[in-house]
Amino acid sequence: KQEVTQIPAALSVPEGENLVLNCSFTDSAIYNLQWFRQDPGKGLTSLLLIQSSQREQTSGRLNASLDKSSGRSTLYIAASQPGDSATYLCAAFLGGATNKLIFGTGTLLAVQP
Amino acid sequence: GAVVSQHPSWVICKSGTSVKIECRSLDFQATTMFWYRQFPKQSLMLMATSNEGSKATYEQGVEKDKFLINHASLTLSTLTVTSAHPEDSSFYICSARTQNQRNSPLHFGNGTRLTVT
Repeated sequence: KQEVTQIPAALSVPEGENLVLNCSFTDSAIYNLQWFRQDPGKGLTSLLLIQSSQREQTSGRLNASLDKSSGRSTLYIAASQPGDSATYLCAAFLGGATNKLIFGTGTLLAVQP
Repeated sequence: GAVVSQHPSWVICKSGTSVKIECRSLDFQATTMFWYRQFPKQSLMLMATSNEGSKATYEQGVEKDKFLINHASLTLSTLTVTSAHPEDSSFYICSARTQNQRNSPLHFGNGTRLTVT
């Protein structure tokens, strides 16, 4: 059974700091991995999608990496801003007949002005 | 960009009543939609996979007779919580792909906050 874990569960940083969020998954046979942002009481916003054949994806100040063999993905946020404060979720998509997106436990990020 | 619309955004109902939540893909067709549930301070848990024109596939532990899913068209899936109880209070979110390909990203609705009194 695929399990997706995120560390740390919560993180507070001063504005301007670079930070890394970690995501690990137990089954390396994933199809792709997606990072989301969720604001309190809101739905999810897709940030980055990394296919299993890719090593990283970048969008603006965000960079996500994927290491399938070790079962890890990281989300790097450069020059953090108060507006980045949210919960960040990673989700691993299981291929084959499974066709499921399994979410991680989430990291609650607070960027202090 | 791909937009998934969910309605209502919040609903309060009395115990024993039924509530219907709609999930629409506004600018694309979705043969498959997914329904998730999220309890406070927890992650999203997949409830069921909704397939257009066929029966939904439910995850283990999810009662199909309690959470009725109908995917009658390529742009609409509905989740009906029947005989709701306070423990059904949760945040329900649907999602869909813009293409029927597993390597395309999932887009999510804004969720529905259900409170059962």
